[in-house]
Amino acid sequence: QKEVEQDPGPLSVPEGAIVSLNCTYSNSAFQYFMWYRQYSRKGPELLMYTYSSGNKEDGRFTAQVDKSSKYISLFIRDSQPSDSATYLCAMSPFSGGYNKLIFGAGTRLAVHP
Amino acid sequence: GAVVSQHPSRVICKSGTSVKIECRSLDFQATTMFWYRQFPKQSLMLMATSNEGSKATYEQGVEKDKFLINHASLTLSTLTVTSAHPEDSSFYICSARDSRQGNSPLHFGNGTRLTVT
Repeated sequence: QKEVEQDPGPLSVPEGAIVSLNCTYSNSAFQYFMWYRQYSRKGPELLMYTYSSGNKEDGRFTAQVDKSSKYISLFIRDSQPSDSATYLCAMSPFSGGYNKLIFGAGTRLAVHP
Repeated sequence: GAVVSQHPSRVICKSGTSVKIECRSLDFQATTMFWYRQFPKQSLMLMATSNEGSKATYEQGVEKDKFLINHASLTLSTLTVTSAHPEDSSFYICSARDSRQGNSPLHFGNGTRLTVT
C-alpha cells in the first residue's frame, strides 16, 4: 500500500464547475500538507499548504485536512480552463517539516470551455 | 514569491556521457535543496537532499556515485548524472526552501528533461 493515495483521473469538468480533489494517506505522523499544481513539462507550483487539521482558503482554492480520517481535499471554485493541470498532494511528518515530502501520484484535471 | 531556477530545461545526451543540471535559488538562500525524479504519469520521488558545505544525503536505492550532488553555495546545487544510460532518461526537478523563514514550504524549479540515446 502506498503511503499517499491519489486518484490519477483524468477528471473532466465544464468551466465554472466546483472541483474536488482528494488524497488519503496511511501515515498518522504526517503533519504538513500541501497541494501543488503541475502544468505539462513544468515543475510543481505551490498552491496551498497547511499544518495539521483544518481548512484554509485562498481565492478560489480551499484546502481541507481531516487527520482523523487521514484525508485531505482541495476544492476549486469557478474552475477555469487555465486550471487544467495535474494536481499533486504532498505531505510530510513533523520531523521532516516541509522538507521530506511524500507525493501522491497526481490527478489530471481538464476544464473545458 | 520564492523562485527556483533550473538549467538546462532539456538535454539530450549519448549513452556513457555525463550531464550536469544546475539548480539556483534566485531570491533567497537555501542551505538545503532537494532533487526529485519523475517518470511519465508518475509522482515525484525524492532522490537526495543536497546540503550546503557538506555531503548529500541519498534516498534508499539511489546510487550516489551515479548521481553526484554538489551544493557549493547558499544559492546553487548541481546534480551530475554520470555515465548516463537510457534508463536514466527522466524528468529531474530540484526544490528549495528559504532557510531564513523557519518552516516555509518547498518551491520547485521547472525541471530538466533528460533523454539518453
